[in-house]
Amino acid sequence: DGGITQSPKYLFRKEGQNVTLSCEQNLNHDAMYWYRQDPGQGLRLIYYSQIVNDFQKGDIAEGYSVSREKKESFPLTVTSAQKNPTAFYLCASRLAGGGNEQFFGPGTRLTVL
Amino acid sequence: GENVEQHPSTLSVQEGDSAVIKCTYSDSASNYFPWYKQELGKRPQLIIDIRSNVGEKKDQRIAVTLNKTAKHFSLHITETQPEDSAVYFCAASKDGSGNTGKLIFGQGTTLQVKP
Repeated sequence: DGGITQSPKYLFRKEGQNVTLSCEQNLNHDAMYWYRQDPGQGLRLIYYSQIVNDFQKGDIAEGYSVSREKKESFPLTVTSAQKNPTAFYLCASRLAGGGNEQFFGPGTRLTVL
Repeated sequence: GENVEQHPSTLSVQEGDSAVIKCTYSDSASNYFPWYKQELGKRPQLIIDIRSNVGEKKDQRIAVTLNKTAKHFSLHITETQPEDSAVYFCAASKDGSGNTGKLIFGQGTTLQVKP
């Protein structure tokens, strides 16, 4: 399914804790994306990165942070400042340039206890 | 800002019937329109896409039509089967050189195909 992996599959967090979600791809894709999925709201973009050491905020970046130190890795940290973090988180990647599909990872389901 | 509206939110059809899902986008510069299928608890997977230089594209039982003037596009599934039951998302983006390729998604349509 495209060589993009996410871990863990399920994650439980206590209020006030930061947690980091992993996303790795071996497709040599340039761009990587993080989406949040809530029931009935589709997918909303949190952060994206088009090249190493550069990233931009998406529509709902508050309470999240990312890094892009390596081309194949784009971890997402959910900080304690994110008021409602319980959701399904999806990472995606694509080749730069026109006409290229975004491939999705299997997702991480985060639950705040 | 950029927005994609998708309708209906739920759709129930009998096996063998056709299903149509419609999306409207706000940014006239959008030029790439993919459709994703997501089964329960799984990742979205691309089923068909269309670019703005084409009005229609077909792949077996699935077709997509695009009306650039009206800024809407539709997914058509013919001869539906129970395995077509899933959530379908439309999306729009500005693709190509100098663009980010980020997708703006519709809210999703839950399709149920009754045997």
